[in-house]
Amino acid sequence: AQSVTQLDSQVPVFEEAPVELRCNYSSSVSVYLFWYVQYPNQGLQLLLKYLSGSTLVKGINGFEAEFNKSQTSFHLRKPSVHISDTAEYFCAVSRQGDYKLSFGAGTTVTVRA
Amino acid sequence: GAVVSQHPSWVICKSGTSVKIECRSLDFQATTMFWYRQFPKQSLMLMATSNEGSKATYEQGVEKDKFLINHASLTLSTLTVTSAHPEDSSFYICSAPRWDRGQMNTEAFFGQGTRLTVV
Repeated sequence: AQSVTQLDSQVPVFEEAPVELRCNYSSSVSVYLFWYVQYPNQGLQLLLKYLSGSTLVKGINGFEAEFNKSQTSFHLRKPSVHISDTAEYFCAVSRQGDYKLSFGAGTTVTVRA
Repeated sequence: GAVVSQHPSWVICKSGTSVKIECRSLDFQATTMFWYRQFPKQSLMLMATSNEGSKATYEQGVEKDKFLINHASLTLSTLTVTSAHPEDSSFYICSAPRWDRGQMNTEAFFGQGTRLTVV
């Protein structure tokens, strides 16, 4: 089985400042890694995903994440946040070839002016 | 891009009644769909895997007689919460992976979610 730990439950940040959301996972098999964003009362939108290849993955809205196999991490970063980035962010993992997702507990990002 | 539509987006029902939630893949066929449940301020938990033309597969601890899943066509899966009680109040979200050129896409597309409130 896979599990995901998001190390920060809440991250307050000022507008135009950088942000990093931490995610660690555990799995005995090869996995795919994902970051999703959820706005209030809405479904999930994929920000980016790591399947294979380059460990630095670029996604939508200026987000990027780096896969570190030795540290079993997949941290999400954005160099300069906007008010509109205020949302809940979920890290998720699935076994390669399987499409059931195991989610972390989520990180609430609040961007202030 | 691929779109998954979920309906209704919110519903309030009386305790003891049943509620049906629909999940449709709008521009692709989905032989498999997933149903998740999200409690307030918590993460999403997989409830079951919906398989077109066969029985759903439920995760451990999920009551199959309470959460009835029907996947009667390649574009529609339904989740029926039977005899709903206040503790069933939650946010339910479906997702569907898309097959591309014979290989399943490595992304599952999510519906908008349904907020169920049982009073």
